Parts: sequence; C-alpha cells; structure tokens
Amino acid sequence: AQRVTQPEKLLSVFKGAPVELKCNYSYSGSPELFWYVQYSRQRLQLLLRHISRESIKGFTADLNKGETSFHLKKPFAQEEDSAMYYCALRRGSTLGRLYFGRGTQLTVWP
Amino acid sequence: DAGVIQSPRHEVTEMGQEVTLRCKPISGHDYLFWYRQTMMRGLELLIYFNNNVPIDDSGMPEDRFSAKMPNASFSTLKIQPSEPRDSAVYFCASSLLGIPYFGPGTRLTVL
Repeated sequence: AQRVTQPEKLLSVFKGAPVELKCNYSYSGSPELFWYVQYSRQRLQLLLRHISRESIKGFTADLNKGETSFHLKKPFAQEEDSAMYYCALRRGSTLGRLYFGRGTQLTVWP
Repeated sequence: DAGVIQSPRHEVTEMGQEVTLRCKPISGHDYLFWYRQTMMRGLELLIYFNNNVPIDDSGMPEDRFSAKMPNASFSTLKIQPSEPRDSAVYFCASSLLGIPYFGPGTRLTVL
C-alpha cells in the first residue's frame, strides 16, 4: 500500500525566513512525487513534480529515497506564499490516481 | 483551453434533494477524477475514469453517490438524496500523461 504523510497541519513563518514543508511517503516501488498548492478558495495547482527537477516560485523539492521524503523548501518566504500545500504520490508504473497527503496550511507573516 | 470547467460553482440545497455536479475536462485528456475536500478529511478521491470507463469507485461514500462519464467531454457526479454531511467542495480534475489539472470546484452546502 502507499501512503503520504504531511506531519504539520499548520506552519507559520515570518516573511524572509526559510520554510520547509515536510512530506514523507511509504511505497515499495518507484514513486512519482508532486507538490500542489491551493491559494485561498481556489483550485489546486501543480507546483512541482520530482521528475522535472525545476524551481517554481523559488520552491524546490528533492526526492530522498533513503528517507522516503519529498520536502518542499524555499529560502526566503513571501507573504504571497501563504496557502495550503499538498504532497501527492503516484505509483510509478501507472498514469492514474494520485494519493494525496492531508495538506499543510502555510502562513507567512509580514 | 479554458481548463477544467465545473458547474455550478456554488450549490445550496436542502436535505433530501438531488444534487448534480458537472465537469468538462480539458480536451484530449484521458483521465478524469472526482475529489471531495473537507476540513475534517482533507482531499478524498471519490472515483476516476480512464477513457470514459470507471476504473476505481472505491472512494464513493455510499449508494447515494453516483458518477457517469457518457463521453470524453462531460462527467456528472450525482448525490441522491443529499445529506448535510455531504457539504464539501467537490473538485473535478483531468489528466493526460499523468499530470492532473484541477477545476475550480463546486462548493456544496446541504441544509
């Protein structure tokens, strides 16, 4: 079975501070990992996927297979980063469903 | 492309009434997903289709929920009869090559 855990339901930082949103997963095969962001009352938007290894809006995430983690990081948080962040996993052999974590609500204070 | 389109955006109904939520996926996408989002349970997958065929409906809460995809450009999620505990935001998403794109959601309130 597969599982995605986001241990922090709420996370608050001050503007300019580094931020790390944690994501751990359990899956015996080769997963594909994603981060989605949802701004207040809007649709979920793809932020990152580990395959593309890109930086979006200053965010990066590295897949650590040894620690089964895919933490999302940004060196200097901005107020506009305040949103709900979801980590998701797909079983590598399929193009179907994603398994989502419960989400972390990030608040960046001025 | 306008992205995934959902209607209505807001629905307020009374307990016992039938509710139908609609989704138009992005043209050319071969997967369609229905999710429900609540504060208590987060984001739950209800059902998903591949090439209009239901693949996994194990997330559908009970027989009151049903979903159809009569063609590649339209899907419905129906709740009959509705109950207050069905109040949630319902998202539709479609994907091609494995990247789901979400619609704006339908905020359902059952009184």
